[in-house]
Amino acid sequence: QKEVEQDPGPLSVPEGAIVSLNCTYSNSAFQYFMWYRQYSRKGPELLMYTYSSGNKEDGRFTAQVDKSSKYISLFIRDSQPSDSATYLCAMSAPQAGTALIFGKGTTLSVSS
Amino acid sequence: EAQVTQNPRYLITVTGKKLTVTCSQNMNHEYMSWYRQDPGLGLRQIYYSMNVEVTDKGDVPEGYKVSRKEKRNFPLILESPSPNQTSLYFCASSFLPIRNTEAFFGQGTRLTVV
Repeated sequence: QKEVEQDPGPLSVPEGAIVSLNCTYSNSAFQYFMWYRQYSRKGPELLMYTYSSGNKEDGRFTAQVDKSSKYISLFIRDSQPSDSATYLCAMSAPQAGTALIFGKGTTLSVSS
Repeated sequence: EAQVTQNPRYLITVTGKKLTVTCSQNMNHEYMSWYRQDPGLGLRQIYYSMNVEVTDKGDVPEGYKVSRKEKRNFPLILESPSPNQTSLYFCASSFLPIRNTEAFFGQGTRLTVV
């Protein structure tokens, strides 16, 4: 079983839709959970960062972590064409120098 | 403006010809790392550095070298590139060395080895 699983999509939605992106993981040592957005030909940019379990909201974006199920989600409300990108989940354990483990990314397309 | 700068952005080279990809950050971050991104495999860490003169292997270090002589710079060296090192490379930096939770990424270097 891979450490982090993420459905690659592609996911196509109309403008204004609510989008749900998900990752599952197997390593119970993960404590830090991130979502990155990557536009074509660009580097990833950090969208959301959550420590341990719970929800975090930032504008149209909400990140959820369910450690009991080893499942994390990113919700995008009122999706816009500018949200069209690849979304990468990433997570890490708290030990010093530990690497981020990335999902393979979900490609999202929002049509106007 | 806070940024991580990689050069070059695009590079085509031949097998065996040594090359260096530079990475520089202006945020005074202690932690820097290199990743490669391949279709179907995602982002994988090559090397990381907790601070000046402190480097360590990531998940896929074979065929690569790094050095960290200054805090702001973290070059990636391919002593004898091979076609399987054709990939998209990203440098990243972070303020907190204990956990790389808020990594800033460079724009990427697309390397082709023929």
